[in-house]
Amino acid sequence: QQPVQSPQAVILREGEDAVINCSSSKALYSVHWYRQKHGEAPVFLMILLKGGEQKGHDKISASFNEKKQQSSLYLTASQLSYSGTYFCGTLSGSARQLTFGSGTQLTVLP
Amino acid sequence: EAQVTQNPRYLITVTGKKLTVTCSQNMNHEYMSWYRQDPGLGLRQIYYSMNVEVTDKGDVPEGYKVSRKEKRNFPLILESPSPNQTSLYFCASSLSRLRDNSYEQYFGPGTRLTVT
Repeated sequence: QQPVQSPQAVILREGEDAVINCSSSKALYSVHWYRQKHGEAPVFLMILLKGGEQKGHDKISASFNEKKQQSSLYLTASQLSYSGTYFCGTLSGSARQLTFGSGTQLTVLP
Repeated sequence: EAQVTQNPRYLITVTGKKLTVTCSQNMNHEYMSWYRQDPGLGLRQIYYSMNVEVTDKGDVPEGYKVSRKEKRNFPLILESPSPNQTSLYFCASSLSRLRDNSYEQYFGPGTRLTVT
């Protein structure tokens, strides 16, 4: 079962902040975030393992609440280069496959 | 350069004509996977392989076959393509899941398939 991402789409101005949420009905082992620019392949952003850790690099960070089976991706002071579709992928239990959400389309305008 | 390659990048074919999409990685990764991407549905896994000669079904395996005879190659075979298999296909690879901090998946550039 696919994780649920919200919102489906968001438009913001350069310099604004955005939050993308990912939730699952299953107990999660890890959450993975990828970004895909139009016409390109998805590119890895970060992995969060259960334990409630928060990760980040540059102005993109993420948190993982294993009790709620939720993860959030935080984009602060958005840049034009942040535009794209963001996917969360979840790994649960003994599953050997990553299940992706349907994506959140982020558009950053000048 | 570490990469995943796919061929062809674009393919238009007719219903029922067998085709193969090749995937190759040069990173000595154990894990390889095929996804299809359709608007509004995200990435859905077709098949995956944990190692040579070890393959398993993903979420949407119907109508597809795979093989893993060599570590670097993981071809996707459509024995009798149908229009509902028109999609964008991605191959991906990663180190073993057992080393979770290395579970990052590297995606190929994609193959856009149209079946008429």
